[in-house]
Amino acid sequence: DAGVIQSPRHEVTEMGQEVTLRCKPISGHNSLFWYRQTMMRGLELLIYFNNNVPIDDSGMPEDRFSAKMPNASFSTLKIQPSEPRDSAVYFCASELTGGSSGNTIYFGEGSWLTVV
Amino acid sequence: DQQVKQNSPSLSVQEGRISILNCDYTNSMFDYFLWYKKYPAEGPTFLISISSIKDKNEDGRFTVFLNKSAKHLSLHIVPSQPGDSAVYFCAAIPIYNQGGKLIFGQGTELSVKP
Repeated sequence: DAGVIQSPRHEVTEMGQEVTLRCKPISGHNSLFWYRQTMMRGLELLIYFNNNVPIDDSGMPEDRFSAKMPNASFSTLKIQPSEPRDSAVYFCASELTGGSSGNTIYFGEGSWLTVV
Repeated sequence: DQQVKQNSPSLSVQEGRISILNCDYTNSMFDYFLWYKKYPAEGPTFLISISSIKDKNEDGRFTVFLNKSAKHLSLHIVPSQPGDSAVYFCAAIPIYNQGGKLIFGQGTELSVKP
């Protein structure tokens, strides 16, 4: 039973470059979340989608960040241009909102981004 | 503005003893709380949850206590085992939430020493 799949697992890029992180949610889940983990702020919600529609993007830090969900099985988080302060672990998570599992969301293994 | 706070970044406990991880929240509209556990290089995994209509939920060695008047919850692990060493995140969901939008604390790193 595949969980949430993220790619790449690790990325090192130079400041100013475009970064694209990808996520495949658990099949059948209707909500998808992008979180960022930093030492100072823990896990921050960046954006979440329900039925492929962005519901709340208030956590997206700047216009440099954008996220899309073109279909139920794929989402991207893009940073353009990237900056060193964007270095963090980015987690994608999914949930069957309204399902029997209650409010349990399932996380991917994360994408470790380093911007130098 | 951190609505969910875990004020202890780390905790060290001897194997077999009790681990108590604390979490405070500021938003009285939170009505469901969860604990997630995270090992290095892995995503967080769900551990245990509690609804605001309860003050205690127990699952094996893990018990979560909720004190609504103090806006405080805690996770008790007893007995602690070395495999429990991980980062523990407290999370909350507001009553008006229309999806699983979790608000997380900063995390507490638990180290259980043999």
